[in-house]
Amino acid sequence: AQKVTQAQTEISVVEKEDVTLDCVYETRDTTYYLFWYKQPPSGELVFLIRRNSFDEQNEISGRYSWNFQKSTSSFNFTITASQVVDSAVYFCALSEAFNFGNEKLTFGTGTRLTIIP
Amino acid sequence: GAGVSQSPRYKVTKRGQDVALRCDPISGHVSLYWYRQALGQGPEFLTYFNYEAQQDKSGLPNDRFSAERPEGSISTLTIQRTEQRDSAMYRCASSQGRGPEAFFGQGTRLTVV
Repeated sequence: AQKVTQAQTEISVVEKEDVTLDCVYETRDTTYYLFWYKQPPSGELVFLIRRNSFDEQNEISGRYSWNFQKSTSSFNFTITASQVVDSAVYFCALSEAFNFGNEKLTFGTGTRLTIIP
Repeated sequence: GAGVSQSPRYKVTKRGQDVALRCDPISGHVSLYWYRQALGQGPEFLTYFNYEAQQDKSGLPNDRFSAERPEGSISTLTIQRTEQRDSAMYRCASSQGRGPEAFFGQGTRLTVV
């Protein structure tokens, strides 16, 4: 069975501070995919990143960066120089090894991030 | 269409009524998924289709819930004899089926009163 744990329920930081959102996962698969989604106050789910289990390189996209560590089963997300627009609920998710059309996601419970101006 | 479209965006229904939620996936997307998201929780898988075939319905909570995708495009999630506990955001996602990159619709917020 797959499981995703986001232990931080809510985080508040002052604008321009850096913040890291934690994600720990459990899976028996040797091949899997990890995701982060953003859910702003408007309610839609916005795809941020997908990583496969063979690629442990950290990734940076603008102010966003992701740290994938298989040894600790973690896939943490860091926002540097946070902005008010970053306020949202962030979900980490896991998908089992890709078989054609079998891409169902297991989500964590989310972390509500509030950036204080 | 340009994105995954769900309708209605909001639905309020009385307990005991049946409801049908519609999902129009991105054109050409083979796979279609339904998720349910309770308040303060992450989305939970309900069921998915490849083309018109329902491949996995293990997440449907009980037999009041059913889904179909008769022509391999638009899908309908039906909840019979709704109960208050069915109140949630119902999300649809579609993908090309060649890699795990699913695109989500805006969701349907269902409230059972």
